[in-house]
Amino acid sequence: EAQVTQNPRYLITVTGKKLTVTCSQNMNHEYMSWYRQDPGLGLRQIYYSMNVEVTDKGDVPEGYKVSRKEKRNFPLILESPSPNQTSLYFCASSLNPSGGTITQYFGPGTRLLVL
Amino acid sequence: AQSVAQPEDQVNVAEGNPLTVKCTYSVSGNPYLFWYVQYPNRGLQFLLKYITGDNLVKGSYGFEAEFNKSQTSFHLKKPSALVSDSALYFCAVRDKDGATNKLIFGTGTLLAVQP
Repeated sequence: EAQVTQNPRYLITVTGKKLTVTCSQNMNHEYMSWYRQDPGLGLRQIYYSMNVEVTDKGDVPEGYKVSRKEKRNFPLILESPSPNQTSLYFCASSLNPSGGTITQYFGPGTRLLVL
Repeated sequence: AQSVAQPEDQVNVAEGNPLTVKCTYSVSGNPYLFWYVQYPNRGLQFLLKYITGDNLVKGSYGFEAEFNKSQTSFHLKKPSALVSDSALYFCAVRDKDGATNKLIFGTGTLLAVQP
């Protein structure tokens, strides 16, 4: 089944404790992206990646890092989480968008609580 | 800057009645518009998109959307609502820089279908 998976689905942590949220897709997509969803704000893009070893900042990158060492994986790293990073996080993937408007497919989400 | 607005936080409709979830957009150039749905504890699921062509777009689960350029709207519709349609609906527009494939989301509309 074609899908985007994220782990963990739920996470409670404390301020300053490094964490990684994994994202993996099995559709051989070049493009991957991370969004956060907050009430009243919709979804906002954190980082995106056009292909392996190619990443760039989205609208709200502060406090986050990403890496793209393999095509299928795009982990989101919080080096020193803070309470304002409490949110619902979504990973998404699509084919290479440079040829036109391509539909993105989203993972199930990771709900993070930073105490 | 590209943006979308969903003027209603919540829409209530009785099962069997038609439903409309509103979305207006502000873009420079041609808009590329999407609707996604988020069921409780699930990820975002793609419903439909408008790129070009026929103003009435048909999508998944019996939903359709009408693109209206003069009113800059892209309202989501369904002729007969089901209780199972109850979910959070997001309208999105692709960012002007198409190469990034970034989606700009509205704040979401909660659809509640009463039996």
